[in-house]
Amino acid sequence: AQTVTQSQPEMSVQEAETVTLSCTYDTSENNYYLFWYKQPPSRQMILVIRQEAYKQQNATENRFSVNFQKAAKSFSLKISDSQLGDTAMYFCAFGAPGAGSYQLTFGKGTKLSVIP
Amino acid sequence: EAQVTQNPRYLITVTGKKLTVTCSQNMNHEYMSWYRQDPGLGLRQIYYSMNVEVTDKGDVPEGYKVSRKEKRNFPLILESPSPNQTSLYFCASSYPRPGELFFGEGSRLTVL
Repeated sequence: AQTVTQSQPEMSVQEAETVTLSCTYDTSENNYYLFWYKQPPSRQMILVIRQEAYKQQNATENRFSVNFQKAAKSFSLKISDSQLGDTAMYFCAFGAPGAGSYQLTFGKGTKLSVIP
Repeated sequence: EAQVTQNPRYLITVTGKKLTVTCSQNMNHEYMSWYRQDPGLGLRQIYYSMNVEVTDKGDVPEGYKVSRKEKRNFPLILESPSPNQTSLYFCASSYPRPGELFFGEGSRLTVL
């Protein structure tokens, strides 16, 4: 079974600064997908970024980028130029191909507060 | 507008009173799933369905039932709710890229 660990229950960052959220995972799979989801106070779960394990290039989406270290089984999220709207819970998630590829295992989340 | 719709959004009920949380998606997704979210535990999968009439247990299925008679609908049934089922519930669907889940807005359930 896969496990996903987010070691930082809470973090804070000044507006306009950069912050990195950590995520590690454990799996015996070679091909898989990794995700970061955002949950703002509205509770809506929103996909932030996605990474396929076979791709060496780190995924980026505007101010959001990841540092994917496959050998270390690490998948951190970097938020640049933090904005007040980035305040949210962030969940790291793992998905493996095959029949279970649509199923995700989530970490326990990191609560990020952006301070004006 | 593509969306996953859950109802009710909020519900307070009493132990043992059967309830159903409905979930409907308009994206023709084959895969649907239910999660519960509890503080400090993240999201845990309850049940999932790969297609019509195909359902399977997730990580925490005890006390829940589901059905998938139509592609768009995936209701979650609590036959005899207990206080430990007080939680925030999310329905999600996915297609075509694996793992890219579309979530509903969540249903806050309190069992007294």
